[in-house]
Amino acid sequence: AQKITQTQPGMFVQEKEAVTLDCTYDTSDPSYGLFWYKQPSSGEMIFLIYQGSYDQQNATEGRYSLNFQKARKSANLVISASQLGDSAMYFCAMREGQVNTGFQKLVFGTGTRLLVSP
Amino acid sequence: DVKVTQSSRYLVKRTGEKVFLECVQDMDHENMFWYRQDPGLGLRLIYFSYDVKMKEKGDIPEGYSVSREKKERFSLILESASTNQTSMYLCASSTTGAREYGYTFGSGTRLTVV
Repeated sequence: AQKITQTQPGMFVQEKEAVTLDCTYDTSDPSYGLFWYKQPSSGEMIFLIYQGSYDQQNATEGRYSLNFQKARKSANLVISASQLGDSAMYFCAMREGQVNTGFQKLVFGTGTRLLVSP
Repeated sequence: DVKVTQSSRYLVKRTGEKVFLECVQDMDHENMFWYRQDPGLGLRLIYFSYDVKMKEKGDIPEGYSVSREKKERFSLILESASTNQTSMYLCASSTTGAREYGYTFGSGTRLTVV
């Protein structure tokens, strides 16, 4: 079964508008972390935002915010005021395992390709 | 600036060749990972290592092996390359105990097997 599900293969948004990229996850571990990465056409993975399972507040980093709904097991990324440079692949990922052990690994979703138009 | 460096950006190999993909990190990280990225499938974990000479299978280890003789270097080995191993390969490292900033990725190696 998929542990990270991204149901939107592609999304379109106009410049300056907000967009939400969906992510749902599945885990029975009470301690986990959720990440969003951006991958431009150059290929590098750029860390955007992180949410810990015990964090009380939704994470925010500049124009990025994470809408964390623990009961629904969803961790949607919201990009406000989209820019042309936001056009890229976006991956949701979950860290499995305890933070203080060496057996952590990231499990990724299949990604959403975002295209921002002028 | 912290770095994960993959030795080749693009690689073309013939079917049956033994292929080495090298990854070096300069952050003294304990954990290193090899992922494979294919369209529509996202990133899938091949192998990871949490210490020198230690390795663990990921989700798709078949056809691959790894070597970690030194802390900073993690090699992915394709013993006998096949066309279905044509893919983008991403190396990453992390430090035990880190929260959000612990994972750093290399720029990727795009391998084509002909």
